[in-house]
Amino acid sequence: KQEVTQIPAALSVPEGENLVLNCSFTDSAIYNLQWFRQDPGKGLTSLLLIQSSQREQTSGRLNASLDKSSGRSTLYIAASQPGDSATYLCAVRSQDQAGTALIFGKGTTLSVSS
Amino acid sequence: KAGVTQTPRYLIKTRGQQVTLSCSPISGHRSVSWYQQTPGQGLQFLFEYFSETQRNKGNFPGRFSGRQFSNSRSEMNVSTLELGDSALYLCASSFSGNNEQFFGPGTRLTVL
Repeated sequence: KQEVTQIPAALSVPEGENLVLNCSFTDSAIYNLQWFRQDPGKGLTSLLLIQSSQREQTSGRLNASLDKSSGRSTLYIAASQPGDSATYLCAVRSQDQAGTALIFGKGTTLSVSS
Repeated sequence: KAGVTQTPRYLIKTRGQQVTLSCSPISGHRSVSWYQQTPGQGLQFLFEYFSETQRNKGNFPGRFSGRQFSNSRSEMNVSTLELGDSALYLCASSFSGNNEQFFGPGTRLTVL
């Protein structure tokens, strides 16, 4: 059974700092991995999707990497801003699912102070 | 391009009642998935519909059911509500299910 873990659960940094969020999964047989952002009481915003054949994806100040063999992904945020404050969720889609269920981690809550 | 929409945004019900939530996917998307989010359990998969057929189901009791219409819109029904059903219910759509998932704003259900 696939399990996804995100460490740390919470992170506080000053504005301008570069930071890395971690995601680990137990079963390396995945279709893809997706990073989301969630603001309090809101839905999820898709940030990056990495297919199983890819090593990384970039969008603006965000860079996500994937190491399937070790069951790890990282989300790198460059030059953090207060507007980056949110909960970041990692989700994997396993190959053993008949359909398309995403298995989520519990998230990392990021606070960026000005 | 309009995003995923969910109605209603907020609901208050009492134990024993039933509720129906609605989700309209992004135009052209044929897969709709439902998730329950609670502080304790996080995000958990309920079920996925593709072309009006349930293709995958999570580990939830039979009180949770859904359906998808020919225009890809989906509804989720919860019968005999329990206090523990209080949660944010999120709907996600994608082109075929294995692609990037796009989520709606959610329906906040409170069971009293």
